[in-house]
Amino acid sequence: NAGVTQTPKFRVLKTGQSMTLLCAQDMNHEYMYWYRQDPGMGLRLIHYSVGEGTTAKGEVPDGYNVSRLKKQNFLLGLESAAPSQTSVYFCASRTGQGTANTGELFFGEGSRLTVL
Amino acid sequence: KNQVEQSPQSLIILEGKNCTLQCNYTVSPFSNLRWYKQDTGRGPVSLTIMTFSENTKSNGRYTATLDADTKQSSLHITASQLSDSASYICVVSPYSGTYKYIFGTGTRLKVLA
Repeated sequence: NAGVTQTPKFRVLKTGQSMTLLCAQDMNHEYMYWYRQDPGMGLRLIHYSVGEGTTAKGEVPDGYNVSRLKKQNFLLGLESAAPSQTSVYFCASRTGQGTANTGELFFGEGSRLTVL
Repeated sequence: KNQVEQSPQSLIILEGKNCTLQCNYTVSPFSNLRWYKQDTGRGPVSLTIMTFSENTKSNGRYTATLDADTKQSSLHITASQLSDSASYICVVSPYSGTYKYIFGTGTRLKVLA
């Protein structure tokens, strides 16, 4: 089973360039999330989606945009990359069934982005 | 402020030894607490999930405990193996909100032969 797949796995950008990270899940999950992981810090939520066609801001949304046009895909875009966006990005998904927050989170393998 | 603090930051043990990792949280209200294992260069993988009414949960050689009164959790690893070398992340969810997960910074464990 593929689970949660992120592409690309590595990318180097110059300041000001744009790019899109793709997250695809094959588990028919309703909820999808984008996090960033930086040294010495816990994972921080960028944006999330509770279903196809919906998106919402997390705790660090500035400089990022997202779209969820299809249930299985969640795209994270950087319109004008900055060195502060150098990080490892993780996508996660979970089922929407059950009581809030008790569903297991499944993570992708991560996308390492470097902005020069 | 909702926070999750883990200790120690890093730990080195010899193969076959036991170890215990700590997680203290100030999240309130509280719904559940999870432990994840993250191998280097990989995404986190769930080890255990405990709700506020559970005080212990096992997954093979991994045993998590929870004391909701003192807001503390521990992850005990028995008979460590080289493959246990990884970061272990404590994650706490408040009761409200379908998106909220508060992540600790993790404990980096190194198991030596």
